[in-house]
Amino acid sequence: AQSVTQLGSHVSVSEGALVLLRCNYSSSVPPYLFWYVQYPNQGLQLLLKYTSAATLVKGINGFEAEFKKSETSFHLTKPSAHMSDAAEYFCAVTDSGTSGANSKLTFGKGITLSVRP
Amino acid sequence: KAGVTQTPRYLIKTRGQQVTLSCSPISGHRSVSWYQQTPGQGLQFLFEYFSETQRNKGNFPGRFSGRQFSNSRSEMNVSTLELGDSALYLCASRPRLAGVYEQYFGPGTRLTVT
Repeated sequence: AQSVTQLGSHVSVSEGALVLLRCNYSSSVPPYLFWYVQYPNQGLQLLLKYTSAATLVKGINGFEAEFKKSETSFHLTKPSAHMSDAAEYFCAVTDSGTSGANSKLTFGKGITLSVRP
Repeated sequence: KAGVTQTPRYLIKTRGQQVTLSCSPISGHRSVSWYQQTPGQGLQFLFEYFSETQRNKGNFPGRFSGRQFSNSRSEMNVSTLELGDSALYLCASRPRLAGVYEQYFGPGTRLTVT
């Protein structure tokens, strides 16, 4: 079984500051990992994905994440926060072992990012 | 390409009623999954359909059911609604099963059960 832990439910940063959102996973097989963002009253938008290629993954809106197998982590970072980054962020894992056939996403609880002017 | 669309966006139902939600995937996408999002339980997988067949199912009671049509559009149905069914129901699509793991989400249907 897979699981995702996102420590803390709320992160607040100043505009222009580094954004770091933490994600740790548990998986019995090599995982595929994702970060999604959800703005108020909207669905989930895919920010980036790790599917066993490069361990440093670049996504949209200046976000990137690094897969670290030894730490079972996939933390999301952005060098400089913008007011428009305020949203809820979800880390998700899926099982690569089935070649996608029974692939379902298991999500963390989500982290709300606030950006102070 | 147009994204995943869901109708209706908002619904208010009474306990004991049933409800049907609709999802149209991205054009060319043949797999549709459904997720329930609540403040307490977060995002939970309901089921996935591909080629009109349920391929995977989450841990929800039988009151939750779904189907997929030949044009890949999907519906989910919840019978005998309970207050705890109040949630945002999200639909997601992907082009195929093999080798594609990321899913693309619609805006959701907000269901309120009173």
